[in-house]
Amino acid sequence: AQSVTQLDSQVPVFEEAPVELRCNYSSSVSVYLFWYVQYPNQGLQLLLKYLSGSTLVKGINGFEAEFNKSQTSFHLRKPSVHISDTAEYFCAVTGGGNKLTFGTGTQLKVEL
Amino acid sequence: DAGVIQSPRHEVTEMGQEVTLRCKPISGHDYLFWYRQTMMRGLELLIYFNNNVPIDDSGMPEDRFSAKMPNASFSTLKIQPSEPRDSAVYFCASRGPGGHNEQFFGPGTRLTVL
Repeated sequence: AQSVTQLDSQVPVFEEAPVELRCNYSSSVSVYLFWYVQYPNQGLQLLLKYLSGSTLVKGINGFEAEFNKSQTSFHLRKPSVHISDTAEYFCAVTGGGNKLTFGTGTQLKVEL
Repeated sequence: DAGVIQSPRHEVTEMGQEVTLRCKPISGHDYLFWYRQTMMRGLELLIYFNNNVPIDDSGMPEDRFSAKMPNASFSTLKIQPSEPRDSAVYFCASRGPGGHNEQFFGPGTRLTVL
């Protein structure tokens, strides 16, 4: 079984500042990792995913994440955030089966 | 493609009433997932189907909850009778074949049970 930990429930940041949202996972098998974003009153939308290969993954809206197997982490980063990035961000993991295990989410609040 | 379609978007009902949530997955997708999202428990997988067959319903909270997928383009999640603690946002998601493929989420149904 897999599990995901998102330690930060809320991350406030000023516009144009960099941000990192943390995600750690545990699994006894190789994993596929995902970051989803949820805007208010909407469903989840895929930002990026790690399947294999390069550990640095680039996604939509200028986000990227780095898979670190030794630290079992998959942190999400953006060098300069915009007001429109205000949303909830979910890290998710699967061991190749059909079920995604989601973290509890991190609310990113971008302030002027 | 219209994406995953859910109806209704909002549902307000009284305790004891039957509630039916509906989902149309993306055409060609063979997996369908029902999730529930609450502040207390986050995002929980309730049940998922593969080729219209329920594969894992271990997340269904009680016998009051049931789900069906009569064909590849339609699924329902029914709560009978509903209770106030069922209030949540219910999401449907669909996915093509392959364990690493993306799940596409619908906009959700916000259920309020009074």
